[in-house]
Amino acid sequence: EAGVAQSPRYKIIEKRQSVAFWCNPISGHATLYWYQQILGQGPKLLIQFQNNGVVDDSQLPKDRFSAERLKGVDSTLKIQPAKLEDSAVYLCASSPRVYGEAFFGQGTRLTVV
Amino acid sequence: DQQVKQNSPSLSVQEGRISILNCDYTNSMFDYFLWYKKYPAEGPTFLISISSIKDKNEDGRFTVFLNKSAKHLSLHIVPSQPGDSAVYFCAASAQGAQKLVFGQGTRLTINP
Repeated sequence: EAGVAQSPRYKIIEKRQSVAFWCNPISGHATLYWYQQILGQGPKLLIQFQNNGVVDDSQLPKDRFSAERLKGVDSTLKIQPAKLEDSAVYLCASSPRVYGEAFFGQGTRLTVV
Repeated sequence: DQQVKQNSPSLSVQEGRISILNCDYTNSMFDYFLWYKKYPAEGPTFLISISSIKDKNEDGRFTVFLNKSAKHLSLHIVPSQPGDSAVYFCAASAQGAQKLVFGQGTRLTINP
């Protein structure tokens, strides 16, 4: 079974630029998550989708971050404009259920300079 | 508001001995707990979980213990092996909220 795929693996941008990350979850997984992991901290949930509907986006900085999940499968996370404090690893995860363990991709390491 | 806390940033254990990683939580609504393992440049990998209706769950060398009254859980690895060297995250969820809330992680180093 293929795992969660994310791209790109690494991205370096200047502040105020925009960036987009892509995620392809495990086939058949209805729940998809985007997490932000800042160095030295645990992953923090940004947004959770159930199929193509948003379940929780309470910690998403909506003035600069946006996410969508097309047709309940792939998802993109966008940051516009980026700030220095957005430097982090962005992790996508999926789950076959709404509750329980999630399976993570390798993440995208973003550096904002 | 840190609802899940791992107070030890790092732990060093000799190969063959027992590793014990600890986690505390504050939200009494949490009813499902998980441990993830993370190697550098990789995403977290699910290791073991426990429901609040149990106080122990075992899978090979890994055992998770849950003390609901103390709001504390621990992961025991025995015997510890060099490949166990990684960052371990504790996570929790509440059935109504669904999302996983993670601790800060503990870096485990197994010394030969």
